[in-house]
Amino acid sequence: DSGVTQTPKHLITATGQRVTLRCSPRSGDLSVYWYQQSLDQGLQFLIQYYNGEERAKGNILERFSAQQFPDLHSELNLSSLELGDSALYFCASSFGGTSVWNTGELFFGEGSRLTVL
Amino acid sequence: SQQGEEDPQALSIQEGENATMNCSYKTSINNLQWYRQNSGRGLVHLILIRSNEREKHSGRLRVTLDTSKKSSSLLITASRAADTASYFCATAGANSKLTFGKGITLSVRP
Repeated sequence: DSGVTQTPKHLITATGQRVTLRCSPRSGDLSVYWYQQSLDQGLQFLIQYYNGEERAKGNILERFSAQQFPDLHSELNLSSLELGDSALYFCASSFGGTSVWNTGELFFGEGSRLTVL
Repeated sequence: SQQGEEDPQALSIQEGENATMNCSYKTSINNLQWYRQNSGRGLVHLILIRSNEREKHSGRLRVTLDTSKKSSSLLITASRAADTASYFCATAGANSKLTFGKGITLSVRP
């Protein structure tokens, strides 16, 4: 058990809909990362938050948005869903290390499997 | 785009044999990490090697880093059926982003 909790574990929805994925990081971790894993694209970095602020941005679509709340949990919002958004979405957390620019070990949740029909 | 590229894409070995997996990357890094993923599960961190280190050991794992060649290798000695999983290398650059390769599928036959 990594200590990172993601909900829901599975989600089935229709095209055009909007969903919210939730992540609770390990106790004491300040950084939260979101990744998308699909068979064709592999593991793609979406976005990172550190102590409530956006720190790094990856291949996140404009239809997707995220935020980290004062209690450090994070939510990833996916809207206007398309078939191609079907994937496993992972949240990971880390303390941040001695410098937020020196990424250390990430602790991953078990993922939220999104199926768009 | 992916920073790290693992090689081979798939590896099948007999239990007790050693498994060697390679990773190449393109830009300068602060550290390189290896992760393991059992089918459909979350990734689990195995080992981290910093850019000023050349070799690191952890149990049956040995990782090397050659920054001049921008490559790393992960050796799993005396493999077990339970080592069957996907293995990913990930590179951490100056922007705090950890970028993963596409992974290597390791099958260890009992």
